[in-house]
Amino acid sequence: KAGVTQTPRYLIKTRGQQVTLSCSPISGHRSVSWYQQTPGQGLQFLFEYFSETQRNKGNFPGRFSGRQFSNSRSEMNVSTLELGDSALYLCASSLIAGGTDTQYFGPGTRLTVL
Amino acid sequence: AQSVTQLDSQVPVFEEAPVELRCNYSSSVSVYLFWYVQYPNQGLQLLLKYLSGSTLVKGINGFEAEFNKSQTSFHLRKPSVHISDTAEYFCAVNPKAAGNKLTFGGGTRVLVKP
Repeated sequence: KAGVTQTPRYLIKTRGQQVTLSCSPISGHRSVSWYQQTPGQGLQFLFEYFSETQRNKGNFPGRFSGRQFSNSRSEMNVSTLELGDSALYLCASSLIAGGTDTQYFGPGTRLTVL
Repeated sequence: AQSVTQLDSQVPVFEEAPVELRCNYSSSVSVYLFWYVQYPNQGLQLLLKYLSGSTLVKGINGFEAEFNKSQTSFHLRKPSVHISDTAEYFCAVNPKAAGNKLTFGGGTRVLVKP
């Protein structure tokens, strides 16, 4: 079974631009979560989608948004990029969204904002 | 709200020696507990999780962890490490009945020396 895939793997943008990251979960998984990893703040939860509905949201500004499609693929969007948005963005998928199921992480998208 | 503290940011250890990584958490609600490992330039991989039952949990690659409710701790141990265990280890909690919403500790970088 293929693992979680994230595209692109690397991205360079400039301040003020917007960016869209994509995540394809493991086949059959319906929950997709997004995390931001930075050296200063560590790993922080962004949001979770289950069956195309946002179930949970972390403490990030409204510039960060996401969505999930009917095939469970998910995208996250960051508008008006700031230097501090430079990070590794990780996506994780699981069969269900009860908190007990193993979350499988993708390799991440490394975003650099200049 | 939840918080997770990993008491050691770096742990150097010699090959074939034992290692213990300490994790304490704080939460106003019941949580599930997890340990993840991250190898360089990769996503996170689940080592083990505590959902309920026996407080001693065995995971992959010879790791085990013990849940201590009174001390709100979930320390990770391995009796004999290998060079390949060099990685960063993250302790995380997820509130029960709240979907997937992991709160991570700051991570412990383990460096195994020959």
